[in-house]
Amino acid sequence: EVQLVESGGGLVQPGGSLRLSCTASGFAVSTYFMNWVRQAPGEGLEWVSVIYSGGSTYYADSVKGRFTISRHNSTNTLYLQMNSLRTEDTAVYYCARENRYCSGGTCFLGSFDYWGQGILVTVSS
Amino acid sequence: QFALTQPPSVSGSPGQSVTISCTGTSSDLGTYNRLSWYQQPPGTAPKLMIYEVSYRPSGVPDRFSGSKSGNTASLTISGLQAEDEADYYCSLYTTSSTYVFGPGTKVTVL
Repeated sequence: EVQLVESGGGLVQPGGSLRLSCTASGFAVSTYFMNWVRQAPGEGLEWVSVIYSGGSTYYADSVKGRFTISRHNSTNTLYLQMNSLRTEDTAVYYCARENRYCSGGTCFLGSFDYWGQGILVTVSS
Repeated sequence: QFALTQPPSVSGSPGQSVTISCTGTSSDLGTYNRLSWYQQPPGTAPKLMIYEVSYRPSGVPDRFSGSKSGNTASLTISGLQAEDEADYYCSLYTTSSTYVFGPGTKVTVL
């Protein structure tokens, strides 16, 4: 059974740092495109970052230069290192798996088939 | 910059059909089919309902269907049920290797 469990959230002061973890089971994070998506209180979903199975990484403009996505294959864990945190980074952070595959000459990509339960990050003084 | 628009809310009575629109531009949604729909009941994580415009993952009821015409994608819920009350988000994988979500639509079952 596929499961994603986030941890590492909490309260941090503006300018501080925090590292989120997402422990996966039922599949290998190294073979999928793994993402972080966040949701500010009462707001909609915002994509944050992706790490490809090949290791390439991409970020939303709002976090570029401050956040770093990575993974540890032996522990099957996805990470999000968040530095220089701002009050507007306050949100529930979800890790999500993107399932890319090709079938019958058509390649399917860009959808998140499994999500974690989310972890709250609060940036406040 | 990529952006998607959705109506803030739609509503219907049990058994009725409701349709949620998701509008992009000719250069993104009008050209590519990397469009997904997610359901998020209050206090829960999002759930994938439709991918690649019209494909339904295993386990999603066939009451949910997706389509696209030009720059606008649509999610239709047929035979509306109380359990369908939730926020629904469309999402597009862009040519910049990033992802954009629509602002979300609240579906209310009257």
